[in-house]
Amino acid sequence: AQKITQTQPGMFVQEKEAVTLDCTYDTSDQSYGLFWYKQPSSGEMIFLIYQGSYDEQNATEGRYSLNFQKARKSANLVISASQLGDSAMYFCAMREGRNSGGYQKVTFGIGTKLQVIP
Amino acid sequence: DAGVTQSPTHLIKTRGQQVTLRCSPKSGHDTVSWYQQALGQGPQFIFQYYEEEERQRGNFPDRFSGHQFPNYSSELNVNALLLGDSALYLCASSLFPGTGDQPQHFGDGTRLSIL
Repeated sequence: AQKITQTQPGMFVQEKEAVTLDCTYDTSDQSYGLFWYKQPSSGEMIFLIYQGSYDEQNATEGRYSLNFQKARKSANLVISASQLGDSAMYFCAMREGRNSGGYQKVTFGIGTKLQVIP
Repeated sequence: DAGVTQSPTHLIKTRGQQVTLRCSPKSGHDTVSWYQQALGQGPQFIFQYYEEEERQRGNFPDRFSGHQFPNYSSELNVNALLLGDSALYLCASSLFPGTGDQPQHFGDGTRLSIL
């Protein structure tokens, strides 16, 4: 089973509108962390927002917010007031599965390509 | 404050050769992870280094090996290169995992092409 599922290969949004990028995850761990990264065409992965499994409130960072629904195992990214510079690939990622040494690995989804239309 | 730096930015090799990629972590970070990102895919975790030892490993063959130096910088070595090793290789640094959930900071990557 996929650990991280992003079902939207591509999304379009009008400039200044809001957009939601979907992410569902699969884990049996009680403690885990969820991340969203942005990857422009240049290739650099840019950290956007983080949600811990025990956080009761949804995370927000500027125009980014994470709609965390633990029971549904979903962690959707909401971008408000889209800008042309938001056009990029967006990856959802999860950190879980501590090994005996306490180390965790991060698993990424396949990404969603967002294009902002003027 | 220097971020994560990787070298080289691009590399072309032929099948069967060996390659070494290098990474300097963000200032203050002590943990380095390596990822392989094939075209159109998400990054795949290769391994993670802390205190000069491999601490976690993804599903990659032994042809992929690494090293971390006392100054926290790291190398990724790939032997007997295959066409399928063509990808963007990303290095990410962070603080020791036990210090809470810190986001990883990524470099710009090394694009490796195998002919």
